Amino acid sequence: NAGVTQTPKFRILKIGQSMTLQCTQDMNHNYMYWYRQDPGMGLKLIYYSVGAGITDKGEVPNGYNVSRSTTEDFPLRLELAAPSQTSVYFCASSPGTPQETQYFGPGTRLLVL
Amino acid sequence: EDQVTQSPEALRLQEGESSSLNCSYTVSGLRGLFWYRQDPGKGPEFLFTLYSAGEEKEKERLKATLTKKESFLHITAPKPEDSATYLCAVQASTLTFGKGTMLLVSP
Repeated sequence: NAGVTQTPKFRILKIGQSMTLQCTQDMNHNYMYWYRQDPGMGLKLIYYSVGAGITDKGEVPNGYNVSRSTTEDFPLRLELAAPSQTSVYFCASSPGTPQETQYFGPGTRLLVL
Repeated sequence: EDQVTQSPEALRLQEGESSSLNCSYTVSGLRGLFWYRQDPGKGPEFLFTLYSAGEEKEKERLKATLTKKESFLHITAPKPEDSATYLCAVQASTLTFGKGTMLLVSP
């Protein structure tokens, strides 16, 4: 059972470039989340989804987009990369209701230069 | 606005030296309080969920407790492999994380 997987593990982007961070879960969870973690700061919620076709903004959505076409996949899109988006990005999933445990992927480290 | 404050920011212990980490919170409509462990370069790993004041949960050398305003993670006779950052998070409409406590246990 792989759980939550994320690709790539590490990426360097130039300012203005675009990229998609991939996230897949094999636990048949309805809820999926994207967080960013900056040094010395708590994880901040970017976007979340309660099921296929349904997404909603979190605390820090600006500069990002998401889609949820299947239960398993929840990609995060950066359209015009900025240095402020340098961070570690974590995808998570949970079975159903919000009070259930979220399970995290290994993270994608992104550096924007 | 939901807030989570963890203290201390960093803690250094000798192997076998017991201590506690604190997580104080303000939230409207607490649905759960979560403790995670995070190793360097890895994603958070779930430890405990607490749902109501007075609840306690244990796992090996760790014990989590909850009151109406804070939670404690007690570490009894820690070992070097317990070294990690411990994250606290509260669930209301979304999950709000604290900044974490970095624990270093020296042999």
